Amino acid sequence: ETGVTQSPTHLIKTRGQQVTLRCSSQSGHNTVSWYQQALGQGPQFIFQYYREEENGRGNFPPRFSGLQFPNYSSELNVNALELDDSALYLCASRPRENTEAFFGQGTRLTVV
Amino acid sequence: EDQVTQSPEALRLQEGESSSLNCSYTVSGLRGLFWYRQDPGKGPEFLFTLYSAGEEKEKERLKATLTKKESFLHITAPKPEDSATYLCAVGTSGTYKYIFGTGTRLKVLA
Repeated sequence: ETGVTQSPTHLIKTRGQQVTLRCSSQSGHNTVSWYQQALGQGPQFIFQYYREEENGRGNFPPRFSGLQFPNYSSELNVNALELDDSALYLCASRPRENTEAFFGQGTRLTVV
Repeated sequence: EDQVTQSPEALRLQEGESSSLNCSYTVSGLRGLFWYRQDPGKGPEFLFTLYSAGEEKEKERLKATLTKKESFLHITAPKPEDSATYLCAVGTSGTYKYIFGTGTRLKVLA
C-alpha cells in the first residue's frame, strides 16, 4: 500500500509567479486536504476535496485554488505568489470524515 | 473560537527521563483528537487518535490520554530517536479541517 506522495519536494519561485503542487492520495482514500505550515508553526488548513468537489476552506484568499481528479489525486495552485507564501505545503488524505489523516512529506516552497 | 494550545514549546530530556506533553483545546464539538510526530523538513507522522474522555492509547514508549479539556502525551524512558516535534490536532463538528497546535519540540540527550 503506497502512502501519500507529493511533488516536487522543493521549489523556488519569484514573487508574482504561479505554482502548482501535486499530491497522490493513499490508496482507498477519497478525501484530500491541503495545509500550509510556516516555520515553527502548526499546519494551517487551506481546503479539502471530497470526490472532486471542494467541501471546506480555511482563511486563505482565492488565489489559492485546487483540483481533485477521478483517481483522487489533487493539485494546489497558487497565483500571484507573495513572499509570505514561503512555507511547507502538506497534503493529507483520509478514508472518511473524523478519521486520522495521513500526510505526505510536503513541498518546501520558497518565494524570492 | 476553536483553539488548540500545546505546552511546553520546547523540552529537553536526558535519555530515560520520562515526561508529559500537554495539549489543551477549546472546540465546539470534538470529533477526534490526533497526535502526530514531525521530523525536521518532513510531513507529520500519525501516532494516535482519541475520540472520548477517558480514552487511552499506547505505542512503544508513548501513551496518549484524553480528558474533556486536554490531552497528554506521556513519554516513558525516552531515547534520542524520540527527538522530534510532537503536534496535536483536533477535528470539530460542522467542519472538515483539523486545528493544529504549534507543537512541542522535544530533544532527548544521550
